[in-house]
Amino acid sequence: AQRVTQPEKLLSVFKGAPVELKCNYSYSGSPELFWYVQYSRQRLQLLLRHISRESIKGFTADLNKGETSFHLKKPFAQEEDSAMYYCASHNAGNMLTFGGGTRLMVKP
Amino acid sequence: DTGVSQDPRHKITKRGQNVTFRCDPISEHNRLYWYRQTLGQGPEFLTYFQNEAQLEKSRLLSDRFSAERPKGSFSTLEIQRTEQGDSAMYLCASSLPGAASTGELFFGEGSRLTVL
Repeated sequence: AQRVTQPEKLLSVFKGAPVELKCNYSYSGSPELFWYVQYSRQRLQLLLRHISRESIKGFTADLNKGETSFHLKKPFAQEEDSAMYYCASHNAGNMLTFGGGTRLMVKP
Repeated sequence: DTGVSQDPRHKITKRGQNVTFRCDPISEHNRLYWYRQTLGQGPEFLTYFQNEAQLEKSRLLSDRFSAERPKGSFSTLEIQRTEQGDSAMYLCASSLPGAASTGELFFGEGSRLTVL
């Protein structure tokens, strides 16, 4: 079965520090991977998808098939980045499989 | 607000009672998903509709759970004979046709169930 693992439940950094939120997946096919974010008191929403190779709010994520990873990175964290981040993969079916989430806290 | 709406937002019930949640997707979205999220976990897939057809069901969806989308618009999720383990946030999401491949689901705010 498809599985998405986010090894860190909590990541705490100071403002301006680099951030890396880890995500590993297990899927034998061609994975489609995504990062979702949930800010305080807001809905879960899509942040970025690997296929678009985009940078959103300064975040990027590179798919590494050799390491089966899709880590989310930002060179300089901002306080407004504090949120829950979920890595997700899309399989041959029609649903997303989510990881357990990482809470990012950016301290002033 | 034209996003996905869910009702009720909170439900407290006693063990053994039945509960029903409603989801109204974004109007032009033909795909609708139900997820369940427990504390400290990510959302877990329950079931998926394309229009009125229920196309996928997770093994998590026991016989006590039933979901419908009779006219291909709103959906209901009913839990019969609730158990304390059913306590969770029930999330609904919708998407456009073909969006499954792009992974963009639009989520509601969720319905939080507490079973006493």
